[in-house]
Amino acid sequence: EVQLVESGGGLVKPGGSLRLSCAASGFTFSSYSMNWVRQAPGKGLEWVSSISSSSSYIYYADSVKGRFTISRDNAKNSLYLQMNSLRAEDTAVYYCARDGVDFHAFDIWGQGTMVTVSS
Amino acid sequence: EIVLTQSPGTLSLSPGERATLSCRASQSVSSSYLAWYQQKPGQAPRLLIYGASSRATGIPDRFSGSGSGTDFTLTISRLEPEDFAVYYCQQYGSSRPFGQGTKVEIK
Repeated sequence: EVQLVESGGGLVKPGGSLRLSCAASGFTFSSYSMNWVRQAPGKGLEWVSSISSSSSYIYYADSVKGRFTISRDNAKNSLYLQMNSLRAEDTAVYYCARDGVDFHAFDIWGQGTMVTVSS
Repeated sequence: EIVLTQSPGTLSLSPGERATLSCRASQSVSSSYLAWYQQKPGQAPRLLIYGASSRATGIPDRFSGSGSGTDFTLTISRLEPEDFAVYYCQQYGSSRPFGQGTKVEIK
């Protein structure tokens, strides 16, 4: 079964750091670009960051540029999001999502992990 | 950066009715790079449409997408009870923004 499972969420103080992980299974992880998308409570979807299959191309939303770092380990079938200098407005459910191999959209999503930034 | 604006914000319809959702881009978007997603409360989003008009695997044919340039449409031909949800459009590029969503609610 194709699956993405996020972990690493939790409660962190403003200015703190957190590292999210996304474990992939059921497909050849190294062949796919991957993404992080977040959703603040009661709000819509916000694209956060994307990384190509070999990590050659990395993109960030302006709202997280300079604070968040996306990375992957193809040997471990894992995607990561290092989040530094966290703010209250970063509070959200964070989803990892897979790119379609032959089309430009996010075809597989994890269940999400909650990040709460509060003092 | 491309901004996607969805309308209406909320659509109140009855089961069996037709739903027409709009997504307008601030600049021209390649049709290959426009997708639609469905999200139900407490669930992750699900891909419905990619390439503006191609249904994703397992998506019923009552869902259809159309449009080009700056104007795109998601149509649900006859609403089933399970179709009441929030729908998002997305543009795929170096930036991959979503629209703000349209909620389809039971009238």
